[in-house]
Amino acid sequence: KNEVEQSPQNLTAQEGEFITINCSYSVGISALHWLQQHPGGGIVSLFMLSSGKKKHGRLIATINIQEKHSSLHITASHPRDSAVYICAVTSITGNQFYFGTGTSLTVIP
Amino acid sequence: DTAVSQTPKYLVTQMGNDKSIKCEQNLGHDTMYWYKQDSKKFLKIMFSYNNKELIINETVPNRFSPKSPDKAHLNLHINSLELGDSAVYFCASSQVFMWATYNEQFFGPGTRLTVL
Repeated sequence: KNEVEQSPQNLTAQEGEFITINCSYSVGISALHWLQQHPGGGIVSLFMLSSGKKKHGRLIATINIQEKHSSLHITASHPRDSAVYICAVTSITGNQFYFGTGTSLTVIP
Repeated sequence: DTAVSQTPKYLVTQMGNDKSIKCEQNLGHDTMYWYKQDSKKFLKIMFSYNNKELIINETVPNRFSPKSPDKAHLNLHINSLELGDSAVYFCASSQVFMWATYNEQFFGPGTRLTVL
């Protein structure tokens, strides 16, 4: 079983919809990360968080340390949001990284 | 200016060959990484390296070796390539060693390796 599980695996939404991607992890962590991988393959870091909530434009990331769960929300989704979203965690020791299997999002105009 | 660059972008080779992928970062970062992304898009860290410490993921075969001529470069050498090595390999860098909330990683564009 993977240390980081994401759901759903695939998601199709209509433009403008509110989207939620979930991430659960089973190890002690010092930080959780959300990454975005575009169809062209490039990977960018969206958020790094260890508690609470962070917002950047239409993207919001939350984390509940007690429940070992994080969510990535996209408000007013747009076709350019179509990408694979990957959740990753840094172990409590700081030198182990674990990745989720990714959520493939397609936003239809 | 590209922050983290990799060459080549595509690499097609025969089983048994030895190949290298180059990575360079112009961010002045102390730490560089190599990741492997398999056909199911699953990312896995292979190495973390700064000028003081190399951390190897214990599942990485010793046919894979990182070589760092200087702080801005971390090349990946692969000996005796196998079919299962086919994947996309990403290089990344960060300011300090450890992937924490204050220490964003910047990824290269990836190298797609195909072993025939």
